Amino acid sequence: AQKITQTQPGMFVQEKEAVTLDCTYDTSDPSYGLFWYKQPSSGEMIFLIYQGSYDQQNATEGRYSLNFQKARKSANLVISASQLGDSAMYFCAMRLRTGANNLFFGTGTRLTVIP
Amino acid sequence: GAGVSQSPSNKVTEKGKDVELRCDPISGHTALYWYRQSLGQGLEFLIYFQGNSAPDKSGLPSDRFSAERTGGSVSTLTIQRTQQEDSAVYLCASTKGLAGGPNTDTQYFGPGTRLTVL
Repeated sequence: AQKITQTQPGMFVQEKEAVTLDCTYDTSDPSYGLFWYKQPSSGEMIFLIYQGSYDQQNATEGRYSLNFQKARKSANLVISASQLGDSAMYFCAMRLRTGANNLFFGTGTRLTVIP
Repeated sequence: GAGVSQSPSNKVTEKGKDVELRCDPISGHTALYWYRQSLGQGLEFLIYFQGNSAPDKSGLPSDRFSAERTGGSVSTLTIQRTQQEDSAVYLCASTKGLAGGPNTDTQYFGPGTRLTVL
């Protein structure tokens, strides 16, 4: 069965510092995509970054980077130079290339950026 | 429109009533998903439409839930005889098509409909 685990219910980071949000996943499928989404208090789910299971390099998008360690089945999100607007819930998700292709979500990590 | 739109943004209903939630996906996106986000259950997949194929209903929690997608675009999620445990935010997402890479894998979400069943 597919599973996404986020072990940090809440994290605090000082403004301008970097922070790592943990995510591990479990699947027997060899082909999948990994995602991070941000959900501010307003409720919308904002796509941040994508990593394909066959991608050789770690994905980066501006201040976001994904530390992909396939053998360990981890896909941690690194946010550099944190800003107050980064305070939100962050969800790790996985999409298989078979079946319904729906997203399997972790339980989320609430990040609070401290001024 | 530029993004996924959903209506209404908020819906308050009485237990036992039927409700309809609407989703308008990004133009050109052939795949559409419904998810439910509730405090106790996190984010759950409900149903998936891909083009004109029969939908994958494997995530629907009961037969009170149904969805349709007309003309391969707009979708309506219907909950019959609502119960208090149906209270949640219902999110719709769309993608360009079958999973197979960054452009087709990524799901873009609408703002959601917050359903409250009294």
